Amino acid sequence: DQQVKQNSPSLSVQEGRISILNCDYTNSMFDYFLWYKKYPAEGPTFLISISSIKDKNEDGRFTVFLNKSAKHLSLHIVPSQPGDSAVYFCAASFAGGTSYGKLTFGQGTILTVHP
Amino acid sequence: NAGVTQTPKFRILKIGQSMTLQCTQDMNHNYMYWYRQDPGMGLKLIYYSVGAGITDKGEVPNGYNVSRSTTEDFPLRLELAAPSQTSVYFCASSSPDRAYGYTFGSGTRLTVV
Repeated sequence: DQQVKQNSPSLSVQEGRISILNCDYTNSMFDYFLWYKKYPAEGPTFLISISSIKDKNEDGRFTVFLNKSAKHLSLHIVPSQPGDSAVYFCAASFAGGTSYGKLTFGQGTILTVHP
Repeated sequence: NAGVTQTPKFRILKIGQSMTLQCTQDMNHNYMYWYRQDPGMGLKLIYYSVGAGITDKGEVPNGYNVSRSTTEDFPLRLELAAPSQTSVYFCASSSPDRAYGYTFGSGTRLTVV
């Protein structure tokens, strides 16, 4: 039961253009959503998060959009840079019961930004 | 400013051998986690802990054990290694503030042959 899905295994964009990474979820109890970036041979690093009470959160070149009715979130990177080339994971959590905010991860999307 | 430190970085085990993956954090986080990542897959939760002396199973706990005797350390034990445990293992820690997510270690790449 894949509760968090990233349906695009890979994405290729040109430097300077917008990168849009998508993520869908099925569990309506999720109330916090995060994006992580992972370089080869390193652990994932936190990028940006959004609470379910918001529909948008920005941090510099990174913006996350949340559409609760569609159970969909997306990460926009503008402008894209070659250093953004990495695997991007979306993740979700909820705080109820014994969840303690444990993260459920999607499969990841490999982003390649060409110079 | 070490964050989360995992050792070893690489290990090759023979089937049936045992080993402990070490994880320590210096951020005084109560919550700690072990995940595994298989090729083309997301991270799957093995075990987690909400504080010293408290551990619980995640999504894929079979074949693993953990302990949490201190806030800083959260070792993962493989008792009888199997080829299905070939994976990259990540330890992570977090504060109760979910806005900032987890801090991950750099991972341990384990191969069971």
